[in-house]
Amino acid sequence: EAGVVQSPRYKIIEKKQPVAFWCNPISGHNTLYWYLQNLGQGPELLIRYENEEAVDDSQLPKDRFSAERLKGVDSTLKIQPAELGDSAVYLCASSIGLAGSTDTQYFGPGTRLTVL
Amino acid sequence: AQSVTQLGSHVSVSEGALVLLRCNYSSSVPPYLFWYVQYPNQGLQLLLKYTSAATLVKGINGFEAEFKKSETSFHLTKPSAHMSDAAEYFCAVSEGGGSNYKLTFGKGTLLTVNP
Repeated sequence: EAGVVQSPRYKIIEKKQPVAFWCNPISGHNTLYWYLQNLGQGPELLIRYENEEAVDDSQLPKDRFSAERLKGVDSTLKIQPAELGDSAVYLCASSIGLAGSTDTQYFGPGTRLTVL
Repeated sequence: AQSVTQLGSHVSVSEGALVLLRCNYSSSVPPYLFWYVQYPNQGLQLLLKYTSAATLVKGINGFEAEFKKSETSFHLTKPSAHMSDAAEYFCAVSEGGGSNYKLTFGKGTLLTVNP
């Protein structure tokens, strides 16, 4: 079974530039998550999708971050414009979405963003 | 609000020694608890999870964890460390359902295994 796929793995941009990350979840997984992981910290949720619907985007900085999950499969996370403080690893995860709190989330390898 | 505290940001053990990584949680409802491992430049991989069945949970790679409600703890152990266990370990707690569902991670513990 293929895992969660993310691209690119690494991205270096200058501040004020836009950047986008792509995620392909495990086939059949209804729920998709985007997390931010700063160095030495645990992942923090940015947004959660149930199929096409963003059911929790309370921690997404909407002034510069946006996300979409068209057709309820792949998802894209965008930052525009990027700031120095956005340098971090952006993780995508997916889960079946049927068991709620007991769901296992499966993580992709992440995209490491460096903003210069 | 739920939270997770991992005592010790860095734990160092010798190969063959006992591994003990500590996790305490706070939750207003009976929690579900998870341990994930992250190897360098990789995503998180589930080691084990507690979902209110047996309090002693066995996971992959010889790890296990015991849920102790009275101590609000879910410590991770392995009897004998292997070099390949060197990684960062995250404890997480989930609660709520539907739009209220949330998985909260601790800050992680970096495990070093010395030969």
